[in-house]
Amino acid sequence: KAGVTQTPRYLIKTRGQQVTLSCSPISGHRSVSWYQQTPGQGLQFLFEYFSETQRNKGNFPGRFSGRQFSNSRSEMNVSTLELGDSALYLCASSRTIGTSGANVLTFGAGSRLTVL
Amino acid sequence: TQLLEQSPQFLSIQEGENLTVYCNSSSVFSSLQWYRQEPGEGPVLLVTVVTGGEVKKLKRLTFQFGDARKDSSLHITAAQTGDTGLYLCAGRGGSNYKLTFGKGTLLTVNP
Repeated sequence: KAGVTQTPRYLIKTRGQQVTLSCSPISGHRSVSWYQQTPGQGLQFLFEYFSETQRNKGNFPGRFSGRQFSNSRSEMNVSTLELGDSALYLCASSRTIGTSGANVLTFGAGSRLTVL
Repeated sequence: TQLLEQSPQFLSIQEGENLTVYCNSSSVFSSLQWYRQEPGEGPVLLVTVVTGGEVKKLKRLTFQFGDARKDSSLHITAAQTGDTGLYLCAGRGGSNYKLTFGKGTLLTVNP
């Protein structure tokens, strides 16, 4: 079956611009989580969506937002981009919400954002 | 805030050697997962451990969850060049069961 698809794979923006990243989960998966990965901080949790509702949120400023559609596809948006937003943004899907101790995440290949 | 400390941060070894990677925390986790991430790809789940003291084997990889469910280790026997990658541990716990990742161990296996 098809994996988690993230688009675009690479993008370059300038400070002050905004960006929208897209994630298509595995068919049948209703939960989508977003992570930011940088060399210094590792993977940091952004938010988790389940059935179009945000269920969990990490410690990121309000410039970072997301949404989930009825078909479980998700988008995240970053407004007023800063140099420090340069990172690999990873999306992961799972069948259920993260409250299950053994909940399995399947990650996409990520969207690499460079802010100049 | 639950934190996971991984050590070592970097590890470079020769093919055929054994190695152990550690993942430690002061917090208790309901479960702990290990992932491997290769360049240009997202992390791929290797194993999930849920019981304190649990040991799981995956071919040459042995995973152990500490008795107190605060730490874990990954041991690789007779490393191969294909084992090269970033190894991440991730723990689930707390009131919202958020998955917290360590910063990873970058393993390079040289031929």
